[in-house]
Amino acid sequence: ILNVEQSPQSLHVQEGDSTNFTCSFPSSNFYALHWYRWETAKSPEALFVMTLNGDEKKKGRISATLNTKEGYSYLYIKGSQPEDSATYLCAFWGDYKLSFGAGTTVTVRA
Amino acid sequence: DVKVTQSSRYLVKRTGEKVFLECVQDMDHENMFWYRQDPGLGLRLIYFSYDVKMKEKGDIPEGYSVSREKKERFSLILESASTNQTSMYLCASSSMYEQYFGPGTRLTVT
Repeated sequence: ILNVEQSPQSLHVQEGDSTNFTCSFPSSNFYALHWYRWETAKSPEALFVMTLNGDEKKKGRISATLNTKEGYSYLYIKGSQPEDSATYLCAFWGDYKLSFGAGTTVTVRA
Repeated sequence: DVKVTQSSRYLVKRTGEKVFLECVQDMDHENMFWYRQDPGLGLRLIYFSYDVKMKEKGDIPEGYSVSREKKERFSLILESASTNQTSMYLCASSSMYEQYFGPGTRLTVT
């Protein structure tokens, strides 16, 4: 079992504030890191697939960075909105499958 | 549009019953996966398949089996349901770089 850890487990953000949280993963035999957003009553939705050290990806107000040498990735939400409330999952691709972290649940307060 | 469907959104079964969860994808993907999601534990891989009639154990296969007779269909079987199998079950199929999830089946075993 590949150890993928996310922190914090949950966080509360005031609308308009920015926030970030981390995913740590094994730094050896890196192939790809995935980020998903999982809203209540919906399927997890792919946000980013990151493959190169130093990668930065952006989708609207959400962005992510990747450091494969030290085994971590940050996800940033700029100017949080209530619709950003969700659980954000990261997943490490290795051994022909994805290993998921437990997720960071973000609640944006209006 | 990419689509993964699961046969039921909600299911209630009795202890000892045999339970079938069906998953169908229309993307011609070779790889398909079954996960369960429990609070604080993220997504845990039960079984996956990378070809018709092929199956591989994931991280928590005990108490489950799978069937993949056709490329588009991947079934999860609980041979004798137990209360500790009450959970949310997610099916996914993947290309090389991205996984697509179904809507999930919330199974309650009483």
